[in-house]
Amino acid sequence: QVQLQESGPGLVKPSETLSLTCAVSGYSISSGYYWGWIRQPPGKGLECIGSIHHSGSTDYNPSLKSRVTISVDTSKNQFSLKLSSVTAADTAVYYCARQSGTRVFAIWGQGTMVTVSS
Amino acid sequence: QSVLTQSPSVSAAPGQKVAISCSGSSSNIGNNYVSWYQQLPGTAPKLLIYDNNKRPSGIPDRFSGSKSGTSATLGITGLQTGDEADYYCGTWDSSLSAYVFGTGTKVTVL
Repeated sequence: QVQLQESGPGLVKPSETLSLTCAVSGYSISSGYYWGWIRQPPGKGLECIGSIHHSGSTDYNPSLKSRVTISVDTSKNQFSLKLSSVTAADTAVYYCARQSGTRVFAIWGQGTMVTVSS
Repeated sequence: QSVLTQSPSVSAAPGQKVAISCSGSSSNIGNNYVSWYQQLPGTAPKLLIYDNNKRPSGIPDRFSGSKSGTSATLGITGLQTGDEADYYCGTWDSSLSAYVFGTGTKVTVL
């Protein structure tokens, strides 16, 4: 059974870089699929940040593209998110997920809350 | 601001049915598959419907999906208290080259 688990700092200072990792178990990332990040500000809806294919190709939300990097570490079977120059507007629960077939987010991690504050 | 629009809320009594709409455009719903996600309070979203009308294993047939033109609909029949949740549609947007979610609909069971 495939499972995803997010990890990283729960508090990030404004203007710094938010860094999160998603550890995957039960499936080898290098075998296929896209792997993505989604976020949800408190009390608000879902926003797709971007995804990475197991081959390394990426696609990012245009509104975040200048600040986002998603990468894969196949040796550790995990993928990562870096979001630079954060502000309070980046405070959210961050989810990692596997995209199947027609870019459906079929399997989700439990999410991790990240607060941007000094 | 999402490119997919959903009504903010819908409510019905137990046992009744509800329909949740998702409106988009030719660059997203009109030419791509639609999925639906259920988010129970305090939990991660869960896939309910994919490829417009397919249900993953374990999802009861009380949940159904359909698509027509640039709109999609999630139907829930035999409403249960456990169905109280936020529901989101989602699809690929070919113009943005990005996955987009709807604004979300809160379902309340009266």
